Amino acid sequence: GAVVSQHPSWVICKSGTSVKIECRSLDFQATTMFWYRQFPKQSLMLMATSNEGSKATYEQGVEKDKFLINHASLTLSTLTVTSAHPEDSSFYICSARRQGGYTFGSGTRLTVV
Amino acid sequence: DAKTTQPTSMDCAEGRAANLPCNHSTISGNEYVYWYRQIHSQGPQYIIHGLKNNETNEMASLIITEDRKSSTLILPHATLRDTAVYYCIGREGDDKIIFGKGTRLHILP
Repeated sequence: GAVVSQHPSWVICKSGTSVKIECRSLDFQATTMFWYRQFPKQSLMLMATSNEGSKATYEQGVEKDKFLINHASLTLSTLTVTSAHPEDSSFYICSARRQGGYTFGSGTRLTVV
Repeated sequence: DAKTTQPTSMDCAEGRAANLPCNHSTISGNEYVYWYRQIHSQGPQYIIHGLKNNETNEMASLIITEDRKSSTLILPHATLRDTAVYYCIGREGDDKIIFGKGTRLHILP
């Protein structure tokens, strides 16, 4: 139980385009989800907290207009990287809060060329 | 969340117990100690958590000192598949999880 599905697992996009990453809780409802970014050989960095039915809360230094988060239902949060540039290439990971803890998705590797 | 300190890396022979230390001297009374691990290019995986008492599950054991200023994660019989980065995190209630740098554990054949 407590599975979080993240899609796609990898994506390559052209510079200037937008990319949407989905995070679904498959067997539980998640009012709160989190989005992280991880650069090679570094730890996970929290980008934002996604709240169902309300605006996301962004961590300091994260551009909310560039990283659009939508949490329209209790099982789905999406992260859209707008006008992607090569420096946005990274491993993006979502997490969903559940009773008793947190479950993480398997991550999305974004490469912007 | 409590700031935690872990060694950057550790080696352990396959089949032996891997003991991963974590210092959390500023942990508050209501903060749990959580351990996650991340295998290369995957999302973090929950291992175990505890407040005061030692805990054991099918994956590992968690030993927390009486003063709660440090803890040790024990993988009783390490295998090559246990090679990963292990994160020790202090967290209270429904707080978001903030990751430190973790310990890179290498299991040697």
